[in-house]
Amino acid sequence: RKEVEQDPGPFNVPEGATVAFNCTYSNSASQSFFWYRQDCRKEPKLLMSVYSSGNEDGRFTAQLNRASQYISLLIRDSKLSDSATYLCVVTLNNDMRFGAGTRLTVKP
Amino acid sequence: DAGVTQSPTHLIKTRGQQVTLRCSPISGHKSVSWYQQVLGQGPQFIFQYYEKEERGRGNFPDRFSARQFPNYSSELNVNALLLGDSALYLCASGGAGSNNEQFFGPGTRLTVL
Repeated sequence: RKEVEQDPGPFNVPEGATVAFNCTYSNSASQSFFWYRQDCRKEPKLLMSVYSSGNEDGRFTAQLNRASQYISLLIRDSKLSDSATYLCVVTLNNDMRFGAGTRLTVKP
Repeated sequence: DAGVTQSPTHLIKTRGQQVTLRCSPISGHKSVSWYQQVLGQGPQFIFQYYEKEERGRGNFPDRFSARQFPNYSSELNVNALLLGDSALYLCASGGAGSNNEQFFGPGTRLTVL
């Protein structure tokens, strides 16, 4: 079993749609959780940290369920500029473990 | 303020050669991590250095080595290159007490022929 697993995607949605990404992790001792976005042939960029209480940043909402070892990212009112690969990241003892990423394409 | 910088941006080597990749972290950051990203996959953790000491190592062979200098910059060395080492090599820096958030450089794209 992979340490971090994400929806395989790709997701193709129209502008304005709401899209949700899911992620599960295998190590219950994992300490920190993040979503990164990566544009084609670019480096990953931190989108948001994920907290147990859930957190929101504009159109983006992230949630963490430690009991189920599950992380989610919700994007509302999607924009063309949201098209990217979204990477779920889990840290344990200073090691960051990345999922394979889910590709999102937002179409006009 | 400069972000994480890496050099070179692109590199072409042949099998059996050795390569050195360089990274300068964000000013004030003391932690540097190295990742390998193969096309279509997420980055894979190689090393983390903090205050010039190795703090973590991923599942990579001994051909991969790294070090961190007093100014917190870092080098990643790969010996006896294989075709499968072709990838984007990413460096990330982080500050102490930053909830483990890391910020990536643009990467070095290595092609092994």
